[in-house]
Amino acid sequence: GIQVEQSPPDLILQEGANSTLRCNFSDSVNNLQWFHQNPWGQLINLFYIPSGTKQNGRLSATTVATERYSLLYISSSQTTDSGVYFCAVEGSGGYQKVTFGTGTKLQVIP
Amino acid sequence: GAVVSQHPSWVICKSGTSVKIECRSLDFQATTMFWYRQFPKQSLMLMATSNEGSKATYEQGVEKDKFLINHASLTLSTLTVTSAHPEDSSFYICSAWTGVNTGELFFGEGSRLTVL
Repeated sequence: GIQVEQSPPDLILQEGANSTLRCNFSDSVNNLQWFHQNPWGQLINLFYIPSGTKQNGRLSATTVATERYSLLYISSSQTTDSGVYFCAVEGSGGYQKVTFGTGTKLQVIP
Repeated sequence: GAVVSQHPSWVICKSGTSVKIECRSLDFQATTMFWYRQFPKQSLMLMATSNEGSKATYEQGVEKDKFLINHASLTLSTLTVTSAHPEDSSFYICSAWTGVNTGELFFGEGSRLTVL
């Protein structure tokens, strides 16, 4: 099956700093999403981005499907950004199964 | 965005009992729902794909007699953990497509199961 690797695995930021999270996938995909899992476990949809670039406030994401990677940018980080960030992809093999990445645990300190 | 509701959020049960978790799509019809399991400090692992009106498709290594899935309507899928044991303690979370066969995936709030 498709492999999804995220980097870095752990990240500690000072409040106000910027960061880039990366998601690499091993095969072509139909869909890609970024999620933020808060400390209570809830998954919050950030971006649905199979290709191209999107922005939502301090967050933006870019997916380059031909090169099999996606980036999530967080600017002016806040303590509420802490949590685990996952990318999830749907492979193009026709099975419509979504595979999650390994996750990046972000801690933003005041 | 679309809303997927999961219930209960927390459940504690004794070893040997069965627990049912419900997953509902509140504002859209979901022909397909997915059940994931997450152990502490790990990623989400797909357990099974729930298809309305037909049998669920289980991932390799997931016991279908242990984790019973029923998708009786276009808005409800249930996961029953039968004869639960402490090793079944985990965070279970469901999701659903907004499109007919694909599209953006939305997740329920998750259910944390603790088996004593």
